[in-house]
Amino acid sequence: KNEVEQSPQNLTAQEGEFITINCSYSVGISALHWLQQHPGGGIVSLFMLSSGKKKHGRLIATINIQEKHSSLHITASHPRDSAVYICAVSASYNTDKLIFGTGTRLQVFP
Amino acid sequence: GAGVSQSPSNKVTEKGKDVELRCDPISGHTALYWYRQSLGQGLEFLIYFQGNSAPDKSGLPSDRFSAERTGGSVSTLTIQRTQQEDSAVYLCASSSPRLQETQYFGPGTRLLVL
Repeated sequence: KNEVEQSPQNLTAQEGEFITINCSYSVGISALHWLQQHPGGGIVSLFMLSSGKKKHGRLIATINIQEKHSSLHITASHPRDSAVYICAVSASYNTDKLIFGTGTRLQVFP
Repeated sequence: GAGVSQSPSNKVTEKGKDVELRCDPISGHTALYWYRQSLGQGLEFLIYFQGNSAPDKSGLPSDRFSAERTGGSVSTLTIQRTQQEDSAVYLCASSSPRLQETQYFGPGTRLLVL
């Protein structure tokens, strides 16, 4: 079993829909990251959080440390949000490296 | 300012050859990471440099892989005697000195071993 699991693996939505991507992890962590990878391959860090909730524009990330679970929400989705969203954690036993989920491929149609 | 840059952007090589991949981190970033993303696979940690400390090499898949970072800036990832399973996108990231700071990723080098 992977230490970081994401669901769903693939997600399609109509423009304007509210989207949720989930991430569960099985190790103790010092931080959790949400990353976005566009079709061209470039990766952008969206959020880094260790507790609570963060918001940036239409994106919201939450984390529940007790339940070892995080969610990434996209409000009023747009075709330009189409990308792979990757959850990654810095494990407490080795904070040097990130452990990645396999990603969620999101396609938003107009 | 400039982001993380990597070169070459694409590399095609023959099985058994050695390759060198280069990463230029953001100026002032003391932490540098190498990752690999194989086709259809998730991202995989390879190696981590932090300042003058000994690198964390725990993610390197075999002794054919090595990396160095000269002068605390540019890093080179070397793969010796390449194999077809080494084909992947190799990504570099850097972050500023604080622990767990946001990582900034380069565009990657797409390696194809024939």
